Amino acid sequence: ILNVEQSPQSLHVQEGDSTNFTCSFPSSNFYALHWYRWETAKSPEALFVMTLNGDEKKKGRISATLNTKEGYSYLYIKGSQPEDSATYLCAPYNTDKLIFGTGTRLQVFP
Amino acid sequence: DAGVTQSPTHLIKTRGQQVTLRCSPKSGHDTVSWYQQALGQGPQFIFQYYEEEERQRGNFPDRFSGHQFPNYSSELNVNALLLGDSALYLCASLQGASGTQYFGPGTRLLVL
Repeated sequence: ILNVEQSPQSLHVQEGDSTNFTCSFPSSNFYALHWYRWETAKSPEALFVMTLNGDEKKKGRISATLNTKEGYSYLYIKGSQPEDSATYLCAPYNTDKLIFGTGTRLQVFP
Repeated sequence: DAGVTQSPTHLIKTRGQQVTLRCSPKSGHDTVSWYQQALGQGPQFIFQYYEEEERQRGNFPDRFSGHQFPNYSSELNVNALLLGDSALYLCASLQGASGTQYFGPGTRLLVL
């Protein structure tokens, strides 16, 4: 059973601060790593799908890096805005299923 | 283009009852996965359907069963409901075996 850990569990930052979260997962049997953003009362929204060691993806102010050999991924948000407030979930993809962590809940205050 | 839709949005049942949740995938998607999110946890994989067959199953008892129809829509059935089945049930669709999964808004089930 894959054990996916995310830290911190929650984060409160001021508008304009940059922040980052960590996702740790067993590096064996790795296929892909997904990041999702989940705003309250909405559907989880896919941010990135990453497969290659050393891969780096970017979407606006949000970027992510992947280290498959040591089993971790970082998600960065530059200049956080209140609309970035959400829960950020990572999920390794293994044998046709996503294994989710418990997420990092981000609150950005104006 | 409609995204993934789920019905109903909310549901209240009592212990021992049975429930059916429904999911329509994103247009062009042929694979549907179901997840359960209990309070304080990340979504947990229940099972995945492709070509009307269960392709992969998570660690859930046989009380949880599903079905996929020729139009790729899917149902999740839970029999003999327990209090612990109270959760948000998410449906996700994708094309083929891997790649980005698109989630619906979920069905929130409360078992009393």
